[in-house]
Amino acid sequence: AQKVTQAQTEISVVEKEDVTLDCVYETRDTTYYLFWYKQPPSGELVFLIRRNSFDEQNEISGRYSWNFQKSTSSFNFTITASQVVDSAVYFCALSELNDMRFGAGTRLTVKP
Amino acid sequence: SQTIHQWPATLVQPVGSPLSLECTVEGTSNPNLYWYRQAAGRGLQLLFYSVGIGQISSEVPQNLSASRPQDRQFILSSKKLLLSDSGFYLCAWSVIKASGPGTDTQYFGPGTRLTVL
Repeated sequence: AQKVTQAQTEISVVEKEDVTLDCVYETRDTTYYLFWYKQPPSGELVFLIRRNSFDEQNEISGRYSWNFQKSTSSFNFTITASQVVDSAVYFCALSELNDMRFGAGTRLTVKP
Repeated sequence: SQTIHQWPATLVQPVGSPLSLECTVEGTSNPNLYWYRQAAGRGLQLLFYSVGIGQISSEVPQNLSASRPQDRQFILSSKKLLLSDSGFYLCAWSVIKASGPGTDTQYFGPGTRLTVL
């Protein structure tokens, strides 16, 4: 069965620090998709990125970057120069053909 | 653009009472629809998903049920609530892909916070 592990339950940083959120997954499929979502205090999950298993290119979007490494089954998320508005719970998710599983989430607190 | 609505936003119900949560999507046709539950401080658990009107797949056996009476309407119900039903309920939608409902990006609604006392 597929599984997603976010080992960091909570992370606290000071504004402008860089922070990396770890995500490790397990799957037997060769075709799968990985996602990151942000859940701010309001509760709504905000989609950040989707990556398929055949595309290992790292991606950068503003202060956000993602490092996908199939060799270590990891899909890590880095926020550069963190801001208070980045404070949220971040979820990594793995989907196969008919199923999508979320990790337990990492609560990020960015202090001013 | 597509939008997804959920109501009510918050709900406090006594144990044993019925439940009806509603989710509607605008701006798209024939979406996949999903119900998730998030217990306090925990991750998301998929409860139900639907690929079309009247088609419901249940992921977890429980005292909850789901129905899809219209293309863009998804309802979560219970005849008798339990204390363990408390949580944050999220509805999501995705565009149906030929490869299966699990592969597409899911977009979430604002959620309903349910407290069962």
